[in-house]
Amino acid sequence: GAGVSQSPSNKVTEKGKDVELRCDPISGHTALYWYRQSLGQGLEFLIYFQGNSAPDKSGLPSDRFSAERTGGSVSTLTIQRTQQEDSAVYLCASSPRLADTQYFGPGTRLTVL
Amino acid sequence: EDQVTQSPEALRLQEGESSSLNCSYTVSGLRGLFWYRQDPGKGPEFLFTLYSAGEEKEKERLKATLTKKESFLHITAPKPEDSATYLCAVQGSSNTGKLIFGQGTTLQVKP
Repeated sequence: GAGVSQSPSNKVTEKGKDVELRCDPISGHTALYWYRQSLGQGLEFLIYFQGNSAPDKSGLPSDRFSAERTGGSVSTLTIQRTQQEDSAVYLCASSPRLADTQYFGPGTRLTVL
Repeated sequence: EDQVTQSPEALRLQEGESSSLNCSYTVSGLRGLFWYRQDPGKGPEFLFTLYSAGEEKEKERLKATLTKKESFLHITAPKPEDSATYLCAVQGSSNTGKLIFGQGTTLQVKP
């Protein structure tokens, strides 16, 4: 079956611009997660959704980051006023239920010039 | 604080030369330990989940084991296509589903 998909695969933007990253989870998966992978930093947890609800937003690096999920499916991670330190690969994962095995998408590589 | 440390950072093997990757962890209430494989430019690919000390799982040339403080990924007679970065992650008892990842071990298998 179809796996997790993310778009765009690559995004180059200028410092100060806003960007939106999209994640389509595996059909039927109720839980969705966002991670960030920076060079030499490993994978860093950002936020999770149970259905459309994000109970804990404390993993988001700053208030420039926000995320939403609609219809229990697609999720969007928005970064406002991008900074060079936001450059990273943003990975999305989904699982059948919260705390089940997570399956990752291919990621979006964000480059902020 | 939950923490995962993987060693070595990099490992070079000749084809057929077996070895093990280590994942040491500290976590409050382990719900699961996960192994992923990541190829360059791709997302992590799920390999195994281990839930309790003494558990073992196998897939082709890979075997994962778990103790109360660490996990090992044993690679038997590796092939060049096993070259990748192997990531270990733990999930604690916070019930958020949050995974704490190690830095990974980059494996290169030469023919």
